[in-house]
Amino acid sequence: AQKITQTQPGMFVQEKEAVTLDCTYDTSDQSYGLFWYKQPSSGEMIFLIYQGSYDEQNATEGRYSLNFQKARKSANLVISASQLGDSAMYFCAMRRGSTLGRLYFGRGTQLTVWP
Amino acid sequence: NAGVTQTPKFQVLKTGQSMTLQCAQDMNHEYMSWYRQDPGMGLRLIHYSVGAGITDQGEVPNGYNVSRSTTEDFPLRLLSAAPSQTSVYFCASSPPHRQVPNTEAFFGQGTRLTVV
Repeated sequence: AQKITQTQPGMFVQEKEAVTLDCTYDTSDQSYGLFWYKQPSSGEMIFLIYQGSYDEQNATEGRYSLNFQKARKSANLVISASQLGDSAMYFCAMRRGSTLGRLYFGRGTQLTVWP
Repeated sequence: NAGVTQTPKFQVLKTGQSMTLQCAQDMNHEYMSWYRQDPGMGLRLIHYSVGAGITDQGEVPNGYNVSRSTTEDFPLRLLSAAPSQTSVYFCASSPPHRQVPNTEAFFGQGTRLTVV
């Protein structure tokens, strides 16, 4: 069963605009962590941001923020002031408290930033 | 800092051949994992390890073996390569999240494998 769902295969945004990438998750664990990774065309996996299930504040890292809605089981990534270099594949992932070290990934969203 | 090192970066195999993908990390991480990435599928877990001598299967383990004799190394063996194993393979490591809850997994650069 898919534990992480990313419903947007592709997204387009104009440079300097904000964009939201959707992610919903499914777990019965009380303790879990949610991650976003960026994969540019060069292929490496770049960690962007983390949200713990017990964190009361939404995580922020520079231009990235995570809109965490626990009751809805959603963890959307918001990128503010998009840049051309943000064009990449973005993956949402979950680490469940009961499964040591394992990450469950969504299928990804391809973001294209245009001038 | 080396981080997670995967070798080789590219490999072409003939059906039926065997090979080992190497993964080494220098961060003293207990957790190590292997994922494969296929178009439209995200990353799927093949095998993982929570420490030397301890391994377990992930979502797609068939056709692959692993062992963990040291903390640093976690090789992935393809026993008899098949075209369905054409993929990009990633190795990742992380410290135990109970000790460092908010730590991410660190990924290697990936190995692009083609089986013909």
